[in-house]
Amino acid sequence: GAVVSQHPSWVICKSGTSVKIECRSLDFQATTMFWYRQFPKQSLMLMATSNEGSKATYEQGVEKDKFLINHASLTLSTLTVTSAHPEDSSFYICSAREGANQPQHFGDGTRLSIL
Amino acid sequence: EDQVTQSPEALRLQEGESSSLNCSYTVSGLRGLFWYRQDPGKGPEFLFTLYSAGEEKEKERLKATLTKKESFLHITAPKPEDSATYLCAVQLKSQGGKLIFGQGTELSVKP
Repeated sequence: GAVVSQHPSWVICKSGTSVKIECRSLDFQATTMFWYRQFPKQSLMLMATSNEGSKATYEQGVEKDKFLINHASLTLSTLTVTSAHPEDSSFYICSAREGANQPQHFGDGTRLSIL
Repeated sequence: EDQVTQSPEALRLQEGESSSLNCSYTVSGLRGLFWYRQDPGKGPEFLFTLYSAGEEKEKERLKATLTKKESFLHITAPKPEDSATYLCAVQLKSQGGKLIFGQGTELSVKP
């Protein structure tokens, strides 16, 4: 149980392109979803927290107009990287949580490379 | 400032050689402490949740313990398939219960 699916797993695109990443909870309803960024050999850095039907809460230093988050249902959240540039290249990971006292379950991440 | 520190950064063991990983934390209010395993190119896989000092959880060769200042992940007689990065994360009582992750311990078990 507690499976989180993230798609796509790998994307390469040109600078200036917008990229959408999907995160789905497959066998539970996620009241809260989280988006992280991870650099090589480093730990996970929280970008934003989203609750179904509400606007996302962004961490300090994360541009909300750059990283658009939509949490339209209890099983789906999307992250759109708008007008991506090479410095946006990274490993993006989502997680989903059924309730406040439940653990976060993670997707397998999306490797984003901007040329 | 809320902080989570893991040690060592990297650990190399021979198969069967037991050891422990440490996670020390300084936070304003602890709701829970989580251990995850992360394989290269994958997302973290949930292992344990600990909520109060003195609590212990076990799963196969892994055992997690918690005190008021730190947590240990004990690995008994490890196998090569236990090689991975082990992440510790603290869940705050405030700020929507977000997780603060440590830097991780990269474990390598040689046959």
